[in-house]
Amino acid sequence: EPEVTQTPSHQVTQMGQEVILRCVPISNHLYFYWYRQILGQKVEFLVSFYNNEISEKSEIFDDQFSVERPDGSNFTLKIRSTKLEDSAMYFCATGQGNYGYTFGSGTRLTVV
Amino acid sequence: AQTVTQSQPEMSVQEAETVTLSCTYDTSESNYYLFWYKQPPSRQMILVIRQEAYKQQNATENRFSVNFQKAAKSFSLKISDSQLGDTAMYFCAFMIPFQGAQKLVFGQGTRLTINP
Repeated sequence: EPEVTQTPSHQVTQMGQEVILRCVPISNHLYFYWYRQILGQKVEFLVSFYNNEISEKSEIFDDQFSVERPDGSNFTLKIRSTKLEDSAMYFCATGQGNYGYTFGSGTRLTVV
Repeated sequence: AQTVTQSQPEMSVQEAETVTLSCTYDTSESNYYLFWYKQPPSRQMILVIRQEAYKQQNATENRFSVNFQKAAKSFSLKISDSQLGDTAMYFCAFMIPFQGAQKLVFGQGTRLTINP
């Protein structure tokens, strides 16, 4: 069964450093998303990406965050200057429309 | 704004029992989709079942079924013959379809433990 692949599985970074989280979507999917889950809390929407542009973003997705799909395959989330409160599980998800998404296995980001 | 509420933070049942997880949502839209996702200890998000709001028939997937009450804005998940592998967090989620990407709005989750 097709999978969404996320790398790395765990990233530890110093506060203030830039991190890039990577996702390889399922090949025929057109919609791409990033969600985050702070430990023990609910899953929160960050951003959606369609037709090579952001279609919607949440209040969490401020100027420190950016997304791109530079080579038509990888879909990346960049956090420019990490804060302690950015520590969370970050999920990439991809989909074809209204059928629900396929989530990746997540990247655990720890900011120290 | 759409909201999803799961009023049971934790539930625990014996193996082979039937368990029902509750979910209510709030929206003024008439066309939408509802989902249940399972998150085992590995923290992967796994789609369990999906329901279109325009369908009156309740969705079923093997041991998993839903009770969709559109007027009451209720979407409960029933797990029959529960198994140890069903132990996980379960999230109810809501989506409004429109052209372009559609975000999921999640509830707070219910931690389900199946005891041997």
